[in-house]
Amino acid sequence: DSGVTQTPKHLITATGQRVTLRCSPRSGDLSVYWYQQSLDQGLQFLIQYYNGEERAKGNILERFSAQQFPDLHSELNLSSLELGDSALYFCASSQAPEVTDTQYFGPGTRLTVL
Amino acid sequence: KNEVEQSPQNLTAQEGEFITINCSYSVGISALHWLQQHPGGGIVSLFMLSSGKKKHGRLIATINIQEKHSSLHITASHPRDSAVYICAVSPLYGGSQGNLIFGKGTKLSVKP
Repeated sequence: DSGVTQTPKHLITATGQRVTLRCSPRSGDLSVYWYQQSLDQGLQFLIQYYNGEERAKGNILERFSAQQFPDLHSELNLSSLELGDSALYFCASSQAPEVTDTQYFGPGTRLTVL
Repeated sequence: KNEVEQSPQNLTAQEGEFITINCSYSVGISALHWLQQHPGGGIVSLFMLSSGKKKHGRLIATINIQEKHSSLHITASHPRDSAVYICAVSPLYGGSQGNLIFGKGTKLSVKP
């Protein structure tokens, strides 16, 4: 158990809908990363927050947004969902903002868009 | 061409065998990570390297910065080592402020 929690574990929804994925980092970690893992693209970095502020952005679509709250939990919002958004979404946390710090991964949320 | 290439894509071994998984990258990096993804999907960080060699139990990771190459070795492999092993690098330059670029992974199956 990494200490990072993600909810829900599974999510099934329809095209055009909007969903929110939630992540609670390990106690004491200030940095949260979101990743998408699809069958054809593998793991891709989406976005990083550090202590409530956006720190880095990767291959995140405009239909996707995220935020980190004062209690350090983070939410990833996916809207106008398409079939291609079906994937595993992981969050990870670390103490420091640098990507050279070890990241601890949550169990992931499996999103299926029908 | 992917910035991070892993080989082999798939690997089947007999219990007890010595295993090597390779990772080559094409960008300048500040660190390289080896991750393990279990069949259930969970991801565990195994190593983070910026130079030399690290060892943890039966796992050894090495990196050659000049050759832009890293290897992950598993000694005395066991069926519980069956997983996907993913190499990821933190690039020095470019977008995403150095955030991780991942290889496609190597799927290892160790038979008893």
